[in-house]
Amino acid sequence: GNSVTQMEGPVTLSEEAFLTINCTYTATGYPSLFWYVQYPGEGLQLLLKATKADDKGSNKGFEATYRKETTSFHLEKGSVQVSDSAVYFCALSDPRPSGGSYIPTFGRGTSLIVHP
Amino acid sequence: NAGVTQTPKFQVLKTGQSMTLQCAQDMNHNSMYWYRQDPGMGLRLIYYSASEGTTDKGEVPNGYNVSRLNKREFSLRLESAAPSQTSVYFCASNVGGAMNTEAFFGQGTRLTVV
Repeated sequence: GNSVTQMEGPVTLSEEAFLTINCTYTATGYPSLFWYVQYPGEGLQLLLKATKADDKGSNKGFEATYRKETTSFHLEKGSVQVSDSAVYFCALSDPRPSGGSYIPTFGRGTSLIVHP
Repeated sequence: NAGVTQTPKFQVLKTGQSMTLQCAQDMNHNSMYWYRQDPGMGLRLIYYSASEGTTDKGEVPNGYNVSRLNKREFSLRLESAAPSQTSVYFCASNVGGAMNTEAFFGQGTRLTVV
């Protein structure tokens, strides 16, 4: 079946540090890949996505590249801010064997804490 | 610009009580989902509805039932709540069908079973 593995947190950084959160996946088909962000007390919201190999998703200074050969989709940001403190979820969606719907499958989430 | 709306936001139940969590989306999405979020476990799929009129079990369906009332609404029912069902519940939706698009989430329902 499908699964997503991401690095455990919390990840604690100082403001302006470089961020990498690792994500690898297992999928039976050719999935789309996503990063979602969850701020305290809120639901998840899409941060970025990539739908095919070598695509780079980017948003708000965050980037991730779809690497089919290593089944990875690592999240990076060159200079984090205090406001980036949140939980980050890597996810994939792949059609069920029965067809019909692309079911999102999530990793366990990585908490990011950025200190001033 | 409502998106996905869940009610209630908070709920405390006694063991054995029942309740229904409501979810509605206004984006004309075909597919809807219920997840639970527990510390260290990420999001686990409880049930989903690929399209109006269909529902299927996810990873952790035991103790829950769902109803896809119409295209907009997808409710989750706990018939006899147990402390193990203490969690944060999220409803989500996406276009579904042949479109592999991102999911949109509600704000969550924080449920405590005592």
